[in-house]
Amino acid sequence: DAGVTQSPTHLIKTRGQQVTLRCSPISGHKSVSWYQQVLGQGPQFIFQYYEKEERGRGNFPDRFSARQFPNYSSELNVNALLLGDSALYLCASSDPGQGTYEQYFGPGTRLTVT
Amino acid sequence: GENVEQHPSTLSVQEGDSAVIKCTYSDSASNYFPWYKQELGKRPQLIIDIRSNVGEKKDQRIAVTLNKTAKHFSLHITETQPEDSAVYFCALRPDFGNEKLTFGTGTRLTIIP
Repeated sequence: DAGVTQSPTHLIKTRGQQVTLRCSPISGHKSVSWYQQVLGQGPQFIFQYYEKEERGRGNFPDRFSARQFPNYSSELNVNALLLGDSALYLCASSDPGQGTYEQYFGPGTRLTVT
Repeated sequence: GENVEQHPSTLSVQEGDSAVIKCTYSDSASNYFPWYKQELGKRPQLIIDIRSNVGEKKDQRIAVTLNKTAKHFSLHITETQPEDSAVYFCALRPDFGNEKLTFGTGTRLTIIP
């Protein structure tokens, strides 16, 4: 049974560019959440999507956006990249419809902005 | 909003001894408290969690205790082994239906052989 997968693994972009990160949840999980983890810190919540609808948004600028597809995979988009956007971007999936609380993380995408 | 304080930031323990990491929080609505282990360059892995209606939960060498009145919860690792070396994060979630996790600042645990 595959876990949460993310692509790409690593990415290098320059300031001002745009980036799209992808996530596939555990089979059967309908909720996907995105987190940003800056080196040396804990993950910070960016978005949650459940059944293709945004259910939560963290304290991030409008340059960050996301969406969820009918197969429950998700994309995170970041526009006008800044140096400070360099981080590990983590996707987590869960199945709240089953009354469970656990969230499982993917391996992350390490974004470097130069 | 939620605030989670985690202590200590670093912890070194002799192999075989116990390790304790503590987190305090401010939002009394929080009702789910997971702990994650993150090895260098890897994803956070859920190792144990507790819900607000339970005071203690144990899974082999790992246990979590929760004091809702005092608003703190702790991770206990007994008989530590070198493979326990990692960064540990506490987290909390305000309520079911809101998947947002708020994380602590992390504890770097080093097991000394």
